[in-house]
Amino acid sequence: QSALTQPASVSGSPGQSITISCTGTGSDFGNYNLVSWYQQHPGKAPKLIIYEDSKRPSGVSNRFSGSKSGNTASLTISGLQAEDEADYYCCSYISSNTFERLFGGGTKLTVL
Amino acid sequence: EVQLVQSGAEVKKAGESLKISCKGSGYNFANYWIGWVRQMPGKGLEWMGIIYPGDSDTRYSPSFQGQVTISADTSISTAYLQWSSLKASDTAMYYCARPEYSSSSRFDDWGQGTLVTVSS
Repeated sequence: QSALTQPASVSGSPGQSITISCTGTGSDFGNYNLVSWYQQHPGKAPKLIIYEDSKRPSGVSNRFSGSKSGNTASLTISGLQAEDEADYYCCSYISSNTFERLFGGGTKLTVL
Repeated sequence: EVQLVQSGAEVKKAGESLKISCKGSGYNFANYWIGWVRQMPGKGLEWMGIIYPGDSDTRYSPSFQGQVTISADTSISTAYLQWSSLKASDTAMYYCARPEYSSSSRFDDWGQGTLVTVSS
């Protein structure tokens, strides 16, 4: 199973908004395959920032938002800050036999 | 507070065996699935497999089936990832993570990672 498709890199200036896409096949993003997003700073464990396509865990800034339409999920970060510079990964549950999750290839966000 | 604490970094030679651990606290360990995720140097996250400690129900990603063994010991609230014969290509950071439920992609809680380095 190939990874979900994300752009390798995106960039933006402080205060701007950026969107990271995550594209899968129909079976990756079926009606019940809810998408999560993770932020990972260098040398750190991933951190959940969006779950069930668009929900934010407690404590995560409302500058982070998620959406999904068809085979594409999206993460938008508004009001970019230097601390947002990190790698971002989408994730979907894809198999009821193996309980497999599928991650995106990851997107490096650079804040200029 | 839920915590997942992983064992320390390992340096091994190809062909050697290894077992790394992930100790859960702050919740009923037996009642929540624990998954393992690989991150090779400079690369992305890869799903390896998952175990339900309460009954040891274990599911592997097809990519990792037969390559590793996932187990758990509820008496000490610890999950394990083991290799019988390491390869240089097993060099990676390995994370344990607790999903909200068996079919969720939501992982609120992660271990700090265990770096495994295998020399050929």
